[in-house]
Formats: sequence, C-alpha cells, structure tokens
Amino acid sequence: NAGVTQTPKFRVLKTGQSMTLLCAQDMNHEYMYWYRQDPGMGLRLIHYSVGEGTTAKGEVPDGYNVSRLKKQNFLLGLESAAPSQTSVYFCASRTAGANYGYTFGSGTRLTVV
Amino acid sequence: LAKTTQPISMDSYEGQEVNITCSHNNIATNDYITWYQQFPSQGPRFIIQGYKTKVTNEVASLFIPADRKSSTLSLPRVSLSDTAVYYCLVGDRDDMRFGAGTRLTVKP
Repeated sequence: NAGVTQTPKFRVLKTGQSMTLLCAQDMNHEYMYWYRQDPGMGLRLIHYSVGEGTTAKGEVPDGYNVSRLKKQNFLLGLESAAPSQTSVYFCASRTAGANYGYTFGSGTRLTVV
Repeated sequence: LAKTTQPISMDSYEGQEVNITCSHNNIATNDYITWYQQFPSQGPRFIIQGYKTKVTNEVASLFIPADRKSSTLSLPRVSLSDTAVYYCLVGDRDDMRFGAGTRLTVKP
C-alpha cells in the first residue's frame, strides 16, 4: 500500500518554464490537496478537490492550475514558473468528514532560478 | 470557521514535559480538535484528536476544558526526536488549512 506518491521529488526550473507535479493515491480517498511550504513556514493551501472532476481554489492559487481527471490522481501545473514559486510542495488526500485522516506525500522540492 | 491561535515557537530540553496550547474561541458545537505533527522534510502526520475532557494515546495527551475554547497538547518527557512543527486544527471543512503551527525545538 503506497499511500500518496508524488513525482518528481526534486526539480529545478528556469523562470518562465512550465511543469506538472503529479500526485497519486491508492486509498480511494475523495479529497485531495496541494499545499506549499516555504522555509520555516507553515503549510498554505493552493488548490483542492472534493471529487473526480472537481477543483477549487485555496489560499494561494495564483500561478497554479490543477486537474482531477481520475479519482486517484491530482495534478498541479505551473504554466510560467517564477522564483517566488520556489518551495516544497506537498500533496495530501483524505476521506470526506475525516480531518484526522490526512495522508501526505513525501513532498516535491522545486527551485525556480 | 473556528480560527486558531497557537505560539509560533517553543523551546524545551530533553526529558521535560511540553504543553502547547491552541486557542479557538469560536469553536462550533460539533467541532473536533485535531493535532498533527510535522518532522523536517516530511509531510504532517496525525497524532491525536479529541472533543472534550482528556484524550491520551501512546504519543501525546490532549486536554480540553469544559468551555472548549482552548486545547492543550501535552508531550511527556520529550526527546530530540520530538523536534517538529505541531498544528492544531479545529472542525472539518473541505478546504482545511494548517496555518503556521508551533515549531518545537528540543535541546539536549
């Protein structure tokens, strides 16, 4: 049982480049989330999804897009990367109505130069 | 939505008991209180949840007074490996936010 898997684990981008971060979960969770964490800071919610085909904005959605075409996958896209998007990105999933049951991935460390 | 307030950081020494308090003045009747722990370079993990009075598990205890306007996470006899960020969550909403948490540093 892999839980939540994030790919890639590390990436360096040049300003203006685009990329997609993939999150996959095998627990049949309805809810999926993308958070970012800057050095020494807490988690900030970027986007989330409460089910296949649905997405919604979180606290800091600007500069990111997401898609949830399949229940088990949640993609985070950066269309034109900026240095301010240098961060560690965490994906999480959980069952509806169970805020004790967040399962997080191991994170993607992204550096934009 | 119940807004939470917790200290930004705390320091402790090995073997001491650490208490981290979270204030949530506008907690709703049906809201549970949940704490997560995040080690460096890892995602947060669930440690304890409670509704009222006291809850204890193998990792921590959670004390909740009768008015439920605050809660205290208690870590007995901390070790260096308890150095982490601790998040207090109240209620359950689709766009759950973890906030800044409390950064606990345990010193030798």
